[in-house]
Amino acid sequence: GENVEQHPSTLSVQEGDSAVIKCTYSDSASNYFPWYKQELGKGPQLIIDIRSNVGEKKDQRIAVTLNKTAKHFSLHITETQPEDSAVYFCAASIANAGGTSYGKLTFGQGTILTVHP
Amino acid sequence: DTGVSQDPRHKITKRGQNVTFRCDPISEHNRLYWYRQTLGQGPEFLTYFQNEAQLEKSRLLSDRFSAERPKGSFSTLEIQRTEQGDSAMYLCASSWGAVGEREKLFFGSGTQLSVL
Repeated sequence: GENVEQHPSTLSVQEGDSAVIKCTYSDSASNYFPWYKQELGKGPQLIIDIRSNVGEKKDQRIAVTLNKTAKHFSLHITETQPEDSAVYFCAASIANAGGTSYGKLTFGQGTILTVHP
Repeated sequence: DTGVSQDPRHKITKRGQNVTFRCDPISEHNRLYWYRQTLGQGPEFLTYFQNEAQLEKSRLLSDRFSAERPKGSFSTLEIQRTEQGDSAMYLCASSWGAVGEREKLFFGSGTQLSVL
């Protein structure tokens, strides 16, 4: 089955700095790569995603890049703010036998991001 | 608030007891998922419903676990004869059925189970 590795496990930055979290996946059939943010006591919240036919996607201060050849993808947060402090998870999804993607995701182990004011 | 709702938020039980959790998905979503998350780990897929049909079950879901979605709306997850290893956060998620949307999961806040 799919295996997703995420690094680093903890990341501490000063407000205004950039933060980068990296993930690798094992199954080349994976075609959908979301990133989730989880705050204390809450469920994960989707913040950005990318599909295998796209190399980069940006949404305001957040961007995701995908390198299919190397089987890795990264989350970039610029101009970090204290409210960005949370646990971030990457994930990967493989289409089913019919070629249809659905919500069976394999998650990484998570990165605890702390943004210091 | 029309997000995914889970009940209860916390459950403490003794080993060997049965527990049942409920999930109410976003009303327009026909797909519903259960995940389990232990401390310091990412969520792990347990099972998946499309409308009332349970289409996939993980090997993590032993025969002590059963999930239902009888009318294609809310879902229940029951754990029989609980063990200490069942202690975890049980997360429910839902998604639309539209192409390009079905992978985008909306999670509830979870039910934290503690088995003593």
